[in-house]
Amino acid sequence: AQKITQTQPGMFVQEKEAVTLDCTYDTSDPSYGLFWYKQPSSGEMIFLIYQGSYDQQNATEGRYSLNFQKARKSANLVISASQLGDSAMYFCAMREGPSIFGQGTELSVKP
Amino acid sequence: DGGITQSPKYLFRKEGQNVTLSCEQNLNHDAMYWYRQDPGQGLRLIYYSQIVNDFQKGDIAEGYSVSREKKESFPLTVTSAQKNPTAFYLCASSADRVSYGYTFGSGTRLTVV
Repeated sequence: AQKITQTQPGMFVQEKEAVTLDCTYDTSDPSYGLFWYKQPSSGEMIFLIYQGSYDQQNATEGRYSLNFQKARKSANLVISASQLGDSAMYFCAMREGPSIFGQGTELSVKP
Repeated sequence: DGGITQSPKYLFRKEGQNVTLSCEQNLNHDAMYWYRQDPGQGLRLIYYSQIVNDFQKGDIAEGYSVSREKKESFPLTVTSAQKNPTAFYLCASSADRVSYGYTFGSGTRLTVV
C-alpha cells in the first residue's frame, strides 16, 4: 500500500539559512511522482516542485531543491536562503493515481 | 487567467442539512479531486473524477456525494449522513498523469452550527 510520512511536525529556521524538510514514502509501483506543496495561513495549496521516479537528477526550482534518494525512498525538500514569507505548512505528496499527502511540517522562519 | 474557483469560502450547516460546495476550473484538466483537511492534519481524498460522467470513491467517501456532468465542474455535496463534517475542503484539478502536480482552489471552510 502507498504511504507517505513526514516526521517533523514543526521546524524553526533563521532567516537566510537553509532548511531541510523530511519526507519518506513507500510504494511497490515503479512509476510515480513526488511533489511538495506549500500551504500559507490563507489555506490555498501551492505547488512547489516535482520529482519523477525515473529522474536521475534531483529537481530544482529557484530556492527549492528536492533531495531524492530512491533506494532509501526519501524525497526531502531543501529551501535555501530562507525568507520570512516561507513560514507555512509544507506537504509532501506522492502520485501514482490520485495523490496521497503526508501530515505536513509547519515551518517558522525567525528574523 | 486559468484557474480553479471554489465557493463559498465559508459555509455553515445546520444539523440534518445537505450542503453543496462548488468547484469550477477553466484549465481544461481532465481530472478533478476533493480532499478534506482537519486541523493539523494532511489531506484525505474524498472523491475523484478522471473523466466526465465518471467518478471514484476515495478513502473517506461515506456521507459525501459528487457529480461530473461537465468537464469544468465537480460539485461536492455533504449529506446529513456525514456525522462530523466540520473541516476545510479543498478541490484540485490536474492533467491525468503522475508527472503533473495539482492546481488547488482556495478552499471552503465548513462549520456545523
